[in-house]
Amino acid sequence: GESVGLHLPTLSVQEGDNSIINCAYSNSASDYFIWYKQESGKGPQFIIDIRSNMDKRQGQRVTVLLNKTVKHLSLQIAATQPGDSAVYFCAENRNAGGTSYGKLTFGQGTILTVHP
Amino acid sequence: EAGVAQSPRYKIIEKRQSVAFWCNPISGHATLYWYQQILGQGPKLLIQFQNNGVVDDSQLPKDRFSAERLKGVDSTLKIQPAKLEDSAVYLCASSLEAMYQPQHFGDGTRLSIL
Repeated sequence: GESVGLHLPTLSVQEGDNSIINCAYSNSASDYFIWYKQESGKGPQFIIDIRSNMDKRQGQRVTVLLNKTVKHLSLQIAATQPGDSAVYFCAENRNAGGTSYGKLTFGQGTILTVHP
Repeated sequence: EAGVAQSPRYKIIEKRQSVAFWCNPISGHATLYWYQQILGQGPKLLIQFQNNGVVDDSQLPKDRFSAERLKGVDSTLKIQPAKLEDSAVYLCASSLEAMYQPQHFGDGTRLSIL
């Protein structure tokens, strides 16, 4: 079936290192992707999004890369800080037209732990 | 800008009882979503509203779940009767529009069924 998955369920890094969180998606019709950060007891927090007509998008300390050829998405966090520790989800919107817009499918999540 | 507001934050009920959750989206956001998040999993969409109309409720268990957004702003999600498997966090999200717009989430209601 269609799914969004993550290669690594956990990632541990040292403060100041760069982090890379990966995500594989299976549906080539997906044309919009979002990364979320979720801290314990809170809702998912929007980090950055990217449409399929782009390969790369940068935000503050974060970069999302999209490789449509291999259906792969990654989130890079520069100079990772302890406050970045959380679960990170990628989500995809499969473009099937009509009511499919906004219907996000989430991956399983990656736990990022940043050690001081 | 105020975020998505949800209440209550926690709810404990016994199976077969009913429960309701409330959501106030970000001002001006036309699209509203309800998600269910089971521990250790990503959120799963239950229902999507565009203004006060339902866009997608294909994953809503309609025999026990209902939702409404009567005036196109606030929304309520109800479960009646609750089952043990409904224990989860219920998240509300909103976006300016459905197409290519990020969804912004509230902190959810954690529901425990005894």
